[in-house]
Amino acid sequence: AQKVTQAQTEISVVEKEDVTLDCVYETRDTTYYLFWYKQPPSGELVFLIRRNSFDEQNEISGRYSWNFQKSTSSFNFTITASQVVDSAVYFCALRPATGGYQKVTFGTGTKLQVIP
Amino acid sequence: EPEVTQTPSHQVTQMGQEVILRCVPISNHLYFYWYRQILGQKVEFLVSFYNNEISEKSEIFDDQFSVERPDGSNFTLKIRSTKLEDSAMYFCASLTGQGMEDYTFGSGTRLTVV
Repeated sequence: AQKVTQAQTEISVVEKEDVTLDCVYETRDTTYYLFWYKQPPSGELVFLIRRNSFDEQNEISGRYSWNFQKSTSSFNFTITASQVVDSAVYFCALRPATGGYQKVTFGTGTKLQVIP
Repeated sequence: EPEVTQTPSHQVTQMGQEVILRCVPISNHLYFYWYRQILGQKVEFLVSFYNNEISEKSEIFDDQFSVERPDGSNFTLKIRSTKLEDSAMYFCASLTGQGMEDYTFGSGTRLTVV
C-alpha cells in the first residue's frame, strides 16, 4: 500500500519569505516516482516536478527547489522569495515505477497563502 | 506540447440524471485514467484503462460508473444516475507506459449535481 502524508494543512507567509512544504511517503516498491503538483484557485493540476527514486539529487528550478531524502522517505518542496502568485494548494504524489497502469496516490495537500 | 483535453469544463446536472465526461488523451498514449477530487479534498484514483479494458478500479468506482474509449480517440466516464455526492472535479490523465514520463492531467471537469 502507498501513502503520502502532507502534515501541513495550511501555511501563510508574507511575500518574499521562504517556505517549505513537507511531504512524507510510504511505499513497498523499490522503484517509484514522486511528484509535486500545484492547484491554483482555477482548479487545474499543474505538474511541477517528477523525481525518480534512484535519483536523490536535489533539484532547483528558479525559485523552486526540492529535497529528496530516501532515508527519511521525504520529498520536501521549498519556494524561495515567495510571491502572491504562489498562493495555491500543493499536492505531493507517489506512483510505482513499474507497470504502465499504476495509479498515483496523492497527499491531502497543503494550502499556501502568500500575503502581500 | 501535446496535452490531455477535457470537456466540458463545467457541467451542472440534476440528481438522477446520466452524465458523460469526455477526455481526449494524448494521441500515442495507451494508458488512461480518471481521478476525482471532491471540493477541498485530495485527488483520488477512480479507474485505469488499458487495451480496451479496465486495469484497476477503486472502491469509489461502483456500478454507477463506467468508462469506454468509443472511437480510439475519446475516453469517457459515464455516471448513470448522479447523486449529490458525485459533485466533484474529475481529472483525466494518460501515459504511454514506456519508461519514465510525467503524469499529466487534463484541466478537469467540474461536475455539480443539484
